[in-house]
Amino acid sequence: GAGVSQTPSNKVTEKGKYVELRCDPISGHTALYWYRQSLGQGPEFLIYFQGTGAADDSGLPNDRFFAVRPEGSVSTLKIQRTERGDSAVYLCASSLVGETVEQFFGPGTRLTVL
Amino acid sequence: QKEVEQNSGPLSVPEGAIASLNCTYSDRVSQSFFWYRQYSGKSPELIMSIYSNGDKEDGRFTAQLNKASQYVSLLIRDSQPSDSATYLCAFLSGGYNKLIFGAGTRLAVHP
Repeated sequence: GAGVSQTPSNKVTEKGKYVELRCDPISGHTALYWYRQSLGQGPEFLIYFQGTGAADDSGLPNDRFFAVRPEGSVSTLKIQRTERGDSAVYLCASSLVGETVEQFFGPGTRLTVL
Repeated sequence: QKEVEQNSGPLSVPEGAIASLNCTYSDRVSQSFFWYRQYSGKSPELIMSIYSNGDKEDGRFTAQLNKASQYVSLLIRDSQPSDSATYLCAFLSGGYNKLIFGAGTRLAVHP
């Protein structure tokens, strides 16, 4: 079956621009997560959706970042006024719900802010 | 202290040997632990999950968990060059909704 998909695979933008990153989870997975990974580091949690609502957004670094999941499936991570420090690989994962759930990652979007 | 500590490596082992990867974590509450494999330029791929003390085997992989010592390890038997990757240790935190990752251990299996 299809895994998690993310678009675009690469995004190059200029400092100060707005970007949107899209994630399509595994069919039937109600939980969706966004992570960010910098070179040489493990993924860092950003936000978790259960259905349409953001159940935990404690990892969002500041108010330039926000994410939506209006119909409980596809999610979009939005970054306003991008900064060079936002350059990273943005990973989306999805899972079923429960205490022993396993999260499965998409291929990621590599964001480069010039 | 980092929440998850892993030796960055590289850990170099000959083909056919056992590779031993170790991880310590700080959260005494977490019940769920995971190993992900990440090839260069790719996203993390789940290879093992473990939830109770002891060993869990899956093919050439064995995960070991010791909650009292806050320690989890991954053994790879009969290592192959295709096992060369970064291995990320993670635990589930925050009410079971977010993974906390280590920085990963780079494994190099040489022929």
